[in-house]
Amino acid sequence: DQQVKQNSPSLSVQEGRISILNCDYTNSMFDYFLWYKKYPAEGPTFLISISSIKDKNEDGRFTVFLNKSAKHLSLHIVPSQPGDSAVYFCAASRGADGLTFGKGTHLIIQP
Amino acid sequence: ETGVTQSPTHLIKTRGQQVTLRCSSQSGHNTVSWYQQALGQGPQFIFQYYREEENGRGNFPPRFSGLQFPNYSSELNVNALELDDSALYLCASSGDGGPYNYGYTFGSGTRLTVV
Repeated sequence: DQQVKQNSPSLSVQEGRISILNCDYTNSMFDYFLWYKKYPAEGPTFLISISSIKDKNEDGRFTVFLNKSAKHLSLHIVPSQPGDSAVYFCAASRGADGLTFGKGTHLIIQP
Repeated sequence: ETGVTQSPTHLIKTRGQQVTLRCSSQSGHNTVSWYQQALGQGPQFIFQYYREEENGRGNFPPRFSGLQFPNYSSELNVNALELDDSALYLCASSGDGGPYNYGYTFGSGTRLTVV
């Protein structure tokens, strides 16, 4: 039973445009949500997080939106740059239960 | 020491054997957790240690065990290896300020192949 779902295995976006990565979850007890970026042969790198009591968090080019009623969050990257090409993982947390990850979305930024 | 380092980077073991994977956490990070990432999947939580005590565990059998040491290093031990244990094993650490502002810091992982 997948509690965190990323339904798009891949996404292709033109350089300079907005990238929107989506994530759905089923467990209403999750209290924090995080986005990680992963390059091949490297560990995941933390990008941005959001508490379940907020609906938006912004950090530079990255913004995460949380819709609790829909159990949906999204990561917006604007403008998209070639270095953003990577696999992006959505993760959710509940206390000391560790992070529950989605399967990831491979973002490809085209010149 | 900055960052999280894991050793070895690659390992091949035979079914039924035992393996120990090692992780050196960032100095000052009292929380360490381990994840298993199978091919094409997201990382799955194995367990978490805080100040040398296990304080969280995912859906993994007891043959997966761990230790955390005072010098910010830790180990993941897997007994009676099975073919399905073949995966990338990731170690992650965070400070007492919590992982949510700065996230967990992940190592590059150990690729374990069981044959």
